[in-house]
Amino acid sequence: EAGVVQSPRYKIIEKKQPVAFWCNPISGHNTLYWYLQNLGQGPELLIRYENEEAVDDSQLPKDRFSAERLKGVDSTLKIQPAELGDSAVYLCASSLVGTVNEQFFGPGTRLTVL
Amino acid sequence: GNSVTQMEGPVTLSEEAFLTINCTYTATGYPSLFWYVQYPGEGLQLLLKATKADDKGSNKGFEATYRKETTSFHLEKGSVQVSDSAVYFCALSDRGYSGAGSYQLTFGKGTKLSVIP
Repeated sequence: EAGVVQSPRYKIIEKKQPVAFWCNPISGHNTLYWYLQNLGQGPELLIRYENEEAVDDSQLPKDRFSAERLKGVDSTLKIQPAELGDSAVYLCASSLVGTVNEQFFGPGTRLTVL
Repeated sequence: GNSVTQMEGPVTLSEEAFLTINCTYTATGYPSLFWYVQYPGEGLQLLLKATKADDKGSNKGFEATYRKETTSFHLEKGSVQVSDSAVYFCALSDRGYSGAGSYQLTFGKGTKLSVIP
């Protein structure tokens, strides 16, 4: 069974530029999460989707971050414009609703903002 | 709110040494507890889990027991290998065995383990 797929794996951009990350969850997983992981820290939730609905986006900085999950499968996370402090690893995870929240993580996208 | 505290790293051990990584938590209700491992250049992988008090999670020689009385979930392995070198994260979800609660995972800061031959 394929795991959570993310692309790109690495992205280097200059500040004020836009950037987008893509995630394809495990087949059949209806819940999708985007996390931010700063160096030396644990992941922090940005947004959670159940199917195509964003049910928890309280920690998403909405002035510059946006996300979508059309058709309840793939998801895209966008930053516009990027700032130096956005340099981090962006992780996508998925799980089945109704389980004891066992989340499966993708390899992440490492973003460097210059 | 929920929180997870892990022992500070990095931890350096010789091969075949005994490993303990301490983890304590604060949560309301009856959380589920997890250990995730992150190998260099890879995403987080679930190592083991426990969903109720006194449960023992185990996988690949690692074990952790859910101790409600001490709010702890310490990770142990009797004999570490070089291939165990990674960052280990303790996490909780307050969606517990009863099925109640939210889906948010709260992570500790991670403990980097280096095993030398």
